[in-house]
Amino acid sequence: EAGVTQFPSHSVIEKGQTVTLRCDPISGHDNLYWYRRVMGKEIKFLLHFVKESKQDESGMPNNRFLAERTGGTYSTLKVQPAELEDSGVYFCASSQYRRVVYNEQFFGPGTRLTVL
Amino acid sequence: TQLLEQSPQFLSIQEGENLTVYCNSSSVFSSLQWYRQEPGEGPVLLVTVVTGGEVKKLKRLTFQFGDARKDSSLHITAAQPGDTGLYLCAGAGSDYGQNFVFGPGTRLSVLP
Repeated sequence: EAGVTQFPSHSVIEKGQTVTLRCDPISGHDNLYWYRRVMGKEIKFLLHFVKESKQDESGMPNNRFLAERTGGTYSTLKVQPAELEDSGVYFCASSQYRRVVYNEQFFGPGTRLTVL
Repeated sequence: TQLLEQSPQFLSIQEGENLTVYCNSSSVFSSLQWYRQEPGEGPVLLVTVVTGGEVKKLKRLTFQFGDARKDSSLHITAAQPGDTGLYLCAGAGSDYGQNFVFGPGTRLSVLP
């Protein structure tokens, strides 16, 4: 079974440009999450989809970030316009939808974004 | 705001030695997870602890959740070079919580 995949693996852009990151979750996983780690900091939650609906977007830093999950399958995270402080590694994770105390989240390899 | 601290930040030991890393918070978590991350990859789940005082063993790794569910430890017996990596703890703040809070990680290097 394929794991969570992310594209691209690396992206280098200039300040002010737009970048779109893509995440393909594990097939059948209704939960999809975006996280990011900026240099020297811990991994931080950005948002959570259940199917195509945004369940929790409390971690989105500002309105330059737009996440979508059309059809409840893959998700995109667009940064427009990108700023220097957006540099970091963006992780996507997915899990099955179950009402349990904990849900194992499977992480993708991440997209390393560098804004110059 | 819930925060998790991990110590030590870095640890370099010789193969065969034992070690313990810690994950601490002033907040209570409904569950706590330990991950290991290698360069260029995402975190991989090692274990989830849910009950205060719970101890789980995974081969040479022993995980413990504090009685008050505010802290956890990971003990590795007879460390091997393959244990090298970044160890992360993450806590779920609420029941059925999906929003995990991550610690900064402990970077372990096991030298042959």
